[in-house]
Amino acid sequence: NAGVTQTPKFQVLKTGQSMTLQCAQDMNHNSMYWYRQDPGMGLRLIYYSASEGTTDKGEVPNGYNVSRLNKREFSLRLESAAPSQTSVYFCASSPDRGTRRAFFGQGTRLTVV
Amino acid sequence: GQQLNQSPQSMFIQEGEDVSMNCTSSSIFNTWLWYKQDPGEGPVLLIALYKAGELTSNGRLTAQFGITRKDSFLNISASIPSDVGIYFCAGGDSGGGADGLTFGKGTHLIIQP
Repeated sequence: NAGVTQTPKFQVLKTGQSMTLQCAQDMNHNSMYWYRQDPGMGLRLIYYSASEGTTDKGEVPNGYNVSRLNKREFSLRLESAAPSQTSVYFCASSPDRGTRRAFFGQGTRLTVV
Repeated sequence: GQQLNQSPQSMFIQEGEDVSMNCTSSSIFNTWLWYKQDPGEGPVLLIALYKAGELTSNGRLTAQFGITRKDSFLNISASIPSDVGIYFCAGGDSGGGADGLTFGKGTHLIIQP
């Protein structure tokens, strides 16, 4: 059982380039989330999807877009990367909103130069 | 946005010692969770708390959901080398904001030989 799988694990972008971070879960969870983690900080919510077909902004959504492709997959897109988006990105999933028991992927380490 | 104050920021202890850390908030949460993160990995859920006053154990770990719903505590008894890592508290389901979790900045646990 793989849980939450993120690709790629590492990425270097030039300022202005675009890319999509992929996330898939095999636990049949309804809710999925994207967080970013910066040095010395906790995780901050970028976007979430409470169920298939819905997405909502979190605490730090500027510069990002998301797509809930189906129940399993939730992607995060950077249209024009900026150095301030250098971070480690984590995808997570949860059975439903009520439990809040989020399970995390291994992360994507993104550097924007 | 909401903030969680997690303390201490870091702890240097001897193997075998007990560990205590806590998390406080100015806002009420209906769920408190504790995660552990190892280097290069995503956070792993340790304990989830859903009810004010609840005390829950997971092996040598014990966590409590504060009566005011604005704080939570994590204790680790008889620490071992594999306990090294960063421990995060997270509050969920505050009722008014976005879905997802609000994280503290973490407690870095270091065990001295």
